[in-house]
Amino acid sequence: DAKTTQPTSMDCAEGRAANLPCNHSTISGNEYVYWYRQIHSQGPQYIIHGLKNNETNEMASLIITEDRKSSTLILPHATLRDTAVYYCIVRVRVRNDMRFGAGTRLTVKP
Amino acid sequence: DVKVTQSSRYLVKRTGEKVFLECVQDMDHENMFWYRQDPGLGLRLIYFSYDVKMKEKGDIPEGYSVSREKKERFSLILESASTNQTSMYLCASSTGGDSYEQYFGPGTRLTVT
Repeated sequence: DAKTTQPTSMDCAEGRAANLPCNHSTISGNEYVYWYRQIHSQGPQYIIHGLKNNETNEMASLIITEDRKSSTLILPHATLRDTAVYYCIVRVRVRNDMRFGAGTRLTVKP
Repeated sequence: DVKVTQSSRYLVKRTGEKVFLECVQDMDHENMFWYRQDPGLGLRLIYFSYDVKMKEKGDIPEGYSVSREKKERFSLILESASTNQTSMYLCASSTGGDSYEQYFGPGTRLTVT
């Protein structure tokens, strides 16, 4: 699976958009990008995933660059409850396992 | 709702003890996983299972073994606990095949003294 690189931490003002970047320059054609988050003292929670097109659901939007070497998770109106560690994962979809890295700690401030 | 439960939230064991961590899921999922989480290292996959009696090593299987005798239950075993196995242990499950979403339990914080 391709390796991902994320910033260690980020801050965001409440009500503003949070844009979390992820680099995956060695991604291959059949690998998907997945995002999870982990709120303190809970297990990780799935957010969104995509292959090459931009994706949106009720939680977030995922923007994948045309060359697929990087992506951005967007929380359009961050709230204090969005404070969490966000994980970007790249893997082949048919695999059963998921590898998490260290993630980005997002702090939403009032 | 999918529910993944773990036998204990907090556990304290002594060095050399045999430790069993139990995980149960109620959604008939084929896949089950054990991770450990340590500060600055994120989640690391220890073992996973894609069917009853089947198991595969993850990235850090040394010092651990697993058992899956029933579909809903996946046990992590520390044969002889050591202090470097003090960690948060998280269990997860997912459907088989083309699955993208893992459901996690609340975690067990194990301290080995």
